[in-house]
Amino acid sequence: KQEVTQIPAALSVPEGENLVLNCSFTDSAIYNLQWFRQDPGKGLTSLLLIQSSQREQTSGRLNASLDKSSGRSTLYIAASQPGDSATYLCAVSPHQTGANNLFFGTGTRLTVIP
Amino acid sequence: NAGVTQTPKFRVLKTGQSMTLLCAQDMNHEYMYWYRQDPGMGLRLIHYSVGEGTTAKGEVPDGYNVSRLKKQNFLLGLESAAPSQTSVYFCASSKGYEQYFGPGTRLTVT
Repeated sequence: KQEVTQIPAALSVPEGENLVLNCSFTDSAIYNLQWFRQDPGKGLTSLLLIQSSQREQTSGRLNASLDKSSGRSTLYIAASQPGDSATYLCAVSPHQTGANNLFFGTGTRLTVIP
Repeated sequence: NAGVTQTPKFRVLKTGQSMTLLCAQDMNHEYMYWYRQDPGMGLRLIHYSVGEGTTAKGEVPDGYNVSRLKKQNFLLGLESAAPSQTSVYFCASSKGYEQYFGPGTRLTVT
């Protein structure tokens, strides 16, 4: 069974700092990996999706990388802002499934201090 | 577009009661999903559907049933609620690989 781990569970940084969130998965046979943002009491918002054939994806101040062979992904946030405070979840989709079923990590709770 | 909506937002049930959670999407997506989110465990897939009239089991299907009679709606049913089903339930839909989530339903079973 696919296990997804996110370290650290919580992170607090001052505004303006660059930071890296980590995600690891046990089965490297994935189809894609997604990073989500979840605000308290709200649903999930998709940030970036990386296909298994890709190494990275970028959107604004966010950059996600994928090393499928080692079972790792990182989410880099540049010049953090208080509005970035949220829980960040990574999720992987296994190979050979009809729908894009996702296995989630437990998330990293990020606090950006003004 | 409203995206993905869920009804109700909150619900409290007594053990043994039944209820249905409704998920609706207006994006004409083929795939729909039900997840539950519990502290320390991340989101887990309960059931999913690859199109109107189809359903399939996910990782934690026991105690739940689903139906997809219309493409835009995906219903999650609890026939006899148990305290272990206290959780936050999220619905999602997708056309390709990117999933779009609803705001969630917080269910408490006492």
